[in-house]
Amino acid sequence: SAVISQKPSRDICQRGTSLTIQCQVDSQVTMMFWYRQQPGQSLTLIATANQGSEATYESGFVIDKFPISRPNLTFSTLTVSNMSPEDSSIYLCSVNRDPQETQYFGPGTRLLVL
Amino acid sequence: ELKVEQNPLFLSMQEGKNYTIYCNYSTTSDRLYWYRQDPGKSLESLFVLLSNGAVKQEGRLMASLDTKARLSTLHITAAVHDLSATYFCAAGGSRLTFGEGTQLTVNP
Repeated sequence: SAVISQKPSRDICQRGTSLTIQCQVDSQVTMMFWYRQQPGQSLTLIATANQGSEATYESGFVIDKFPISRPNLTFSTLTVSNMSPEDSSIYLCSVNRDPQETQYFGPGTRLLVL
Repeated sequence: ELKVEQNPLFLSMQEGKNYTIYCNYSTTSDRLYWYRQDPGKSLESLFVLLSNGAVKQEGRLMASLDTKARLSTLHITAAVHDLSATYFCAAGGSRLTFGEGTQLTVNP
């Protein structure tokens, strides 16, 4: 299994501010993924973070709002920019080390925007 | 665009009973995943199904995959209260599309 940690685990932020979420994996992985889970909802993929290249965003998500960094093969950050209450969600990072394996999820960052 | 639908969305069961959660997906998918989520927690991986006819079992849970019908099932045998949680299926290769989730409550 993969051990994934995220920081912060939760935060309460004011609208208009930005928050950077960190994701650390215990082994090198090619791709890291960022998902959002809005309250009471399912998970939606935000973007795929590739080391050494720009992140790939899913429809409805843009780089200006969710800039992503991937400086090495074990670490990524997701920034939620210019936050509004609609950004209140759980943000989870995920990795898939092996096609025969499952995809592992981090513990999540619970964000509340006031 | 891959779409994933689960049913039922809400399931209230009595302990000891059997039930099945269904997961349909709209286009060919490399893999099918099942996850469990407890309130306030992250996702716990239950199963990954890789090929047509795949069947996996862990305790009271058994998952199967029919790629021709684009259908996966999660069967619960003799439910116990500890199985109460939300169960998600997800399809895709590495970029996953999730179903809406099935909120399962097992009553004594």
